[in-house]
Amino acid sequence: AQKVTQAQTEISVVEKEDVTLDCVYETRDTTYYLFWYKQPPSGELVFLIRRNSFDEQNEISGRYSWNFQKSTSSFNFTITASQVVDSAVYFCALSEAKGGGADGLTFGKGTHLIIQP
Amino acid sequence: DVKVTQSSRYLVKRTGEKVFLECVQDMDHENMFWYRQDPGLGLRLIYFSYDVKMKEKGDIPEGYSVSREKKERFSLILESASTNQTSMYLCASSLTTRLAGGGNTGELFFGEGSRLTVL
Repeated sequence: AQKVTQAQTEISVVEKEDVTLDCVYETRDTTYYLFWYKQPPSGELVFLIRRNSFDEQNEISGRYSWNFQKSTSSFNFTITASQVVDSAVYFCALSEAKGGGADGLTFGKGTHLIIQP
Repeated sequence: DVKVTQSSRYLVKRTGEKVFLECVQDMDHENMFWYRQDPGLGLRLIYFSYDVKMKEKGDIPEGYSVSREKKERFSLILESASTNQTSMYLCASSLTTRLAGGGNTGELFFGEGSRLTVL
C-alpha cells in the first residue's frame, strides 16, 4: 500500500527565516508522481508542484524549491525568506492508479506552517 | 481556469438527517473525487467516479454514497448523518491520464470545501 509521511505536524518560524517541510513516501510503482499542495486558511487546496519519478532534478520557483531524492524516497519543500502569507497547511501527495483510468492521490497528514511577523 | 464549486461552505445538520453535498466542475473532467479532511488525519478518499454513473469506493466509504448523473456534477450523500461525520469535505476533479497523454497525470483541482457539523 502507498503511504506518504509528513513527520512535522506543525512548524513555527519567524518571518524571513528559511524553512524545510519534509515528505517521505512509499510505493511499489516504478512510475509515479509527487505533489505539493498548499491549503491557506480559506480552505481551498492550491496546487504547487508535480514531479514525476524519472525526473530527479531539483526545482526552484521564486522563494520555493523542491528536493526530490529517490534514494531516500523523499520530496522535501523549502521556502526561502519566509513571509507571513506563506502560513498555511502544506500537503505532500503521491499519485496512484485508480479504477477506470482515474488517478487518485494519497496524501500525507499535512504540516501546519506558521510564519510569525 | 478550472473551477470546482461546492454548493455549501457551511452546513449544520442533526443526527439522522439525510445530507446532500453537491459539487460541480466546469472543465469537462472525467474524474471526480470526494475527500474528507480531519485534523491530524489529512485527506482521506471517500468515493470517486471516473465516468457518468460510475462510482468506486475509496478508503472510507462507510456511511456515504455518491451519485454522478451528469459529467460535471458529483454528489456526496449521507443517508443518516452521525456526529462522527462532522468534518471538512473536499471535492476534486481531474483529467483521465490516457486521454491527456499522461501530461496531466494525477493533478487534482479542488473546491473550497464544505464544513459539515452534525449535532
